[in-house]
Order: sequence, then C-alpha cells, then structure tokens
Amino acid sequence: AQKITQTQPGMFVQEKEAVTLDCTYDTSDQSYGLFWYKQPSSGEMIFLIYQGSYDEQNATEGRYSLNFQKARKSANLVISASQLGDSAMYFCAMREAEFGNEKLTFGTGTRLTIIP
Amino acid sequence: DSGVTQTPKHLITATGQRVTLRCSPRSGDLSVYWYQQSLDQGLQFLIQYYNGEERAKGNILERFSAQQFPDLHSELNLSSLELGDSALYFCASSGGYTDTQYFGPGTRLTVL
Repeated sequence: AQKITQTQPGMFVQEKEAVTLDCTYDTSDQSYGLFWYKQPSSGEMIFLIYQGSYDEQNATEGRYSLNFQKARKSANLVISASQLGDSAMYFCAMREAEFGNEKLTFGTGTRLTIIP
Repeated sequence: DSGVTQTPKHLITATGQRVTLRCSPRSGDLSVYWYQQSLDQGLQFLIQYYNGEERAKGNILERFSAQQFPDLHSELNLSSLELGDSALYFCASSGGYTDTQYFGPGTRLTVL
C-alpha cells in the first residue's frame, strides 16, 4: 500500500486564488512527521512546512498552511493568494517513528500551474 | 539556499563507468541522506549516514555505495552504470531525528 498518496497529478489555479493540495498518508505509528516540499522547474527541493503528529495546532508558514486531520490521515497544503512563482511540483512526505531509520517517504507529487 | 551543497551539478557519462557525487551538509548537521529521483520510480531514499556511520539503507543497488567522512561531507559512488541510473540525485542533511531534512540542489546524472 502507498504510504503517501497525492491524488492530483496536476492543478491549474488562477493567480491570487487560494489552492489546496491533497495528501493522505498511511501509518500505524503514533509519532510521525509530515512535510511539504516544493520543486520548481530548476529542480531543487525546497522545504515549505512541517507538521508533527502530536502538534495540536495546524502548522503555518507565511502563505502556507497545513490542514492536518489526524483521524482522516490527511495533511493537505493550503497556499493562500497564489502567485506565479508558486508554479512548481509539490511533494508531500512522511517521516515515521522508527528510530535509526529517519528516511522520508514521498508521494508522487502534484504539478501546480498558476494562471495569470 | 538550503546550505547543503552538491557537486557536480550535471554529470554525463557512459554505460559501465563509475562516478562519484559529493555532498556537504549544512553547518552542524550530523545526518546526511541520499535520495534518487527518476521518472519511473519517483523520489526514493537510498541511504543515511549519521556522524560517519551508516544508519539506514533504502532501495540502494549493490553497485552503489556511500560514505561520510570525518568532516561530515559525504560521497555517493555509482559504478557499472546503466541507462536506468540516469536520474537526479539529492543529498539532504538534518541535525537530528526530529529535524527537518534540507535538500541540496541535486546532481543530474545522464548515462548514455
């Protein structure tokens, strides 16, 4: 079974609108971390936001917020007031609690295109 | 700029050859991770080092090996290269288990 599922291969959004990128995860651990990364066409992976499984508040970083619904195992990224520079691939990732194995497991990504 | 550096940025080589990719982690980070991003496999974890010791292994081929040196920089060695090894190879670093992994700019390997 996929540990991280991103069901939207591509999205087109009008500039200045808000956009939600979906991410669901599968784990039996109680302690885990969820991450979102942005990959522009230049190729680098840029860290956007982190949510710990025990965090009671949804994480926010500037225009990015994470809509964390633990019971539904979802960790959607919300980008407010989208900009042309937001056009990129977005990856959701999970780090599970296995000590000594701190790898990130990534989803397949969502390609976001912002339309002027 | 994440503070993680990788060299070279691009590498073009032939099948059967051997290459070495280099990574310098962020200042103070003890953990280094290697990931491979290809069109068919997506982003896959290869291997992790922590303060010079191998910590975890993922989907790393036997033809691939890595090490972390006393100054904490890491190298990923890829040998007997095949066409399918063409990919973007990322190095990431973190300060500890609960810390965020910050990625370098990647090395794009093309095997002809």
